[in-house]
Amino acid sequence: EVQLVESGGGLVKPGGSLRLSCAASGFTFSSYSMNWVRQAPGKGLEWVSSISSSSSYIYYADSVKGRFTISRDNAKNSLYLQMNSLRAEDTAVYYCAREKDWFDPWGQGTLVTVSS
Amino acid sequence: EIVLTQSPATLSLSPGERATLSCRASQSVSSYLAWYQQKPGQAPRLLIYDASNRATGIPARFSGSGSGTDFTLTISSLEPEDFAVYYCQQRSNWPLYTFGQGTKLEIK
Repeated sequence: EVQLVESGGGLVKPGGSLRLSCAASGFTFSSYSMNWVRQAPGKGLEWVSSISSSSSYIYYADSVKGRFTISRDNAKNSLYLQMNSLRAEDTAVYYCAREKDWFDPWGQGTLVTVSS
Repeated sequence: EIVLTQSPATLSLSPGERATLSCRASQSVSSYLAWYQQKPGQAPRLLIYDASNRATGIPARFSGSGSGTDFTLTISSLEPEDFAVYYCQQRSNWPLYTFGQGTKLEIK
């Protein structure tokens, strides 16, 4: 069974940092691009970042560029999102999603709350 | 940035009725459009990709149509488990994916 499990969310103060992880299983992780998508409370979906299978290509939404860093470790079947200089507007559930043209499947998400 | 506008924001229907959800793009996305379903407390699930192809395991009552700027998700006969929020997504402007704001399908 293909499975994605996020972790690392929590409460952090504005200006702080957090590192999210996504553990993948049930498929050949190194063959797929991966993405982070977030959803603010009660709001819609926002694409955050994408990384190609070999980490050769990395992209960010303008809203996080320069503050967030996506990475992966294919040996550990894991995806990461390092989030620095966090702002209140970064508060959201963060999902990782496998990409093969489209996002399928998604993990269950991890909540990041940025508040003083 | 390609903006996707979904309508209506909320759709109130009864089980057994037909649901028609719309997604309009600010510029042509060809057929590079997908639909996702999200239930409360759950992650989104891929329903339709490339405008009209059902994802694996998706019931035949779900269908997608359209190309260019106007797209439709149709649920032919609503089941109780279909009441959820539906999002469209484009990948024409890869990798700058964008989503619509969602349509909430609620029980009337």
